[in-house]
Amino acid sequence: GQNIDQPTEMTATEGAIVQINCTYQTSGFNGLFWYQQHAGEAPTFLSYNVLDGLEEKGRFSSFLSRSKGYSYLLLKELQMKDSASYLCAVNGGNYQLIWGAGTKLIIKP
Amino acid sequence: IAGITQAPTSQILAAGRRMTLRCTQDMRHNAMYWYRQDLGLGLRLIHYSNTAGTTGKGEVPDGYSVSRANTDDFPLTLASAVPSQTSVYFCASSPGTSGSNEQFFGPGTRLTVL
Repeated sequence: GQNIDQPTEMTATEGAIVQINCTYQTSGFNGLFWYQQHAGEAPTFLSYNVLDGLEEKGRFSSFLSRSKGYSYLLLKELQMKDSASYLCAVNGGNYQLIWGAGTKLIIKP
Repeated sequence: IAGITQAPTSQILAAGRRMTLRCTQDMRHNAMYWYRQDLGLGLRLIHYSNTAGTTGKGEVPDGYSVSRANTDDFPLTLASAVPSQTSVYFCASSPGTSGSNEQFFGPGTRLTVL
């Protein structure tokens, strides 16, 4: 079957660094996305990885290891506005995305 | 520039009633999608359309139908609503269907079926 696993909830402190992990098992692979979703709002695109390695974009970075079926999203210099759910999604090769249940990130002052 | 809009924002519906959720995008995207999002579950694909005039079934299509008469509009119809269809519904679009095409989401419709 096809499966994407993420932790349900994480807590971090303002100004700190947090790493949100995502593991996947899919029949095909054509890239991995990270989205951010604030409560009551729509998901918005953060990053896309298709090759192994780290992609850095400001305070956010995303890492992919295809051989391990593993990705993480790294958030640096956390701000209160980063409190949101972070969704991992895999393009399984049939142009449709398979979504994880999301990780709710709580930032404390 | 609106991007992608959905209507209504929220709706309470009696079981057995027919309901159409509207979705319109002005980005000239080829692909459009309907998802439902339930607490504790990931986004689940209901139906999709890779281009105007074509549609396909996603992971949870039963009880729903779609049409894609033109590029901009992708309505989702519940023929006879049931309480298990209570959910938040998101419409999304992408320029194409190749791997790197990110999906842009509408604001969602909160539907309650009683």
